[in-house]
Amino acid sequence: QVTLWESGPALVMPTQTLTLTCTFSGFSLSSSGMCVSWIRQPPGKALEWLALIHWDDDKFYSASLRTRLTISKDTSKNQVVLTMTNMDPVDTATYYCARVDGSSWTVDYWGQGTLVTVSS
Amino acid sequence: QTVVTQEPSLTVSPGGTVTLTCASSTGAVTSGYYPNWLQQKPGQAPRALISNTSHRHSWTPARFSGSLLGGKAALTLSGVQPEDEAEYFCLLYYGGSWVFGGGTNLTVL
Repeated sequence: QVTLWESGPALVMPTQTLTLTCTFSGFSLSSSGMCVSWIRQPPGKALEWLALIHWDDDKFYSASLRTRLTISKDTSKNQVVLTMTNMDPVDTATYYCARVDGSSWTVDYWGQGTLVTVSS
Repeated sequence: QTVVTQEPSLTVSPGGTVTLTCASSTGAVTSGYYPNWLQQKPGQAPRALISNTSHRHSWTPARFSGSLLGGKAALTLSGVQPEDEAEYFCLLYYGGSWVFGGGTNLTVL
């Protein structure tokens, strides 16, 4: 049974750095083809793809947010971490992580999401 | 900047058939974009429906089908049920990065 869950602060001050953790079970990120992606959704708006990390540590980022994002993994802990620097109120959103099977580029299992509000 | 376009809203009658489409600003959508379709109901996380153009997940009802249609990715719902009222998002792969469509709000009325 594959599950993912996101954790991190609910409130972040403007200009601060956000650190989110995706903890998963039911699969291994050391298995060939496995990937984990981060996605966000501002209230009432569409989904936005942020970043993806491959089993071999290859990393990809949204072009518009590339300079602010870092994705990393800890295979032994079954965790993927996303950091986003210089947070702004427009970054207020629910942040999701999802599993991606890189052998077929299938996005299948999603976490429940964590709401992050950026406010002073 | 790549833009993926979906119909903002569609309405369908219960038992009817509706097709949602997903277009890319870069040109025709092909299987190489590995189209994924997701369903999202209010207050819930997205749920994967279709991957790799037409592959249903084990939990996806058979009334949902994916295809390529006229240079776009398409999601067809046949025999629509009231519980299919939701937001539907497509997701396209661009060789390392991904882009979501703006979503289609499907009303069953």
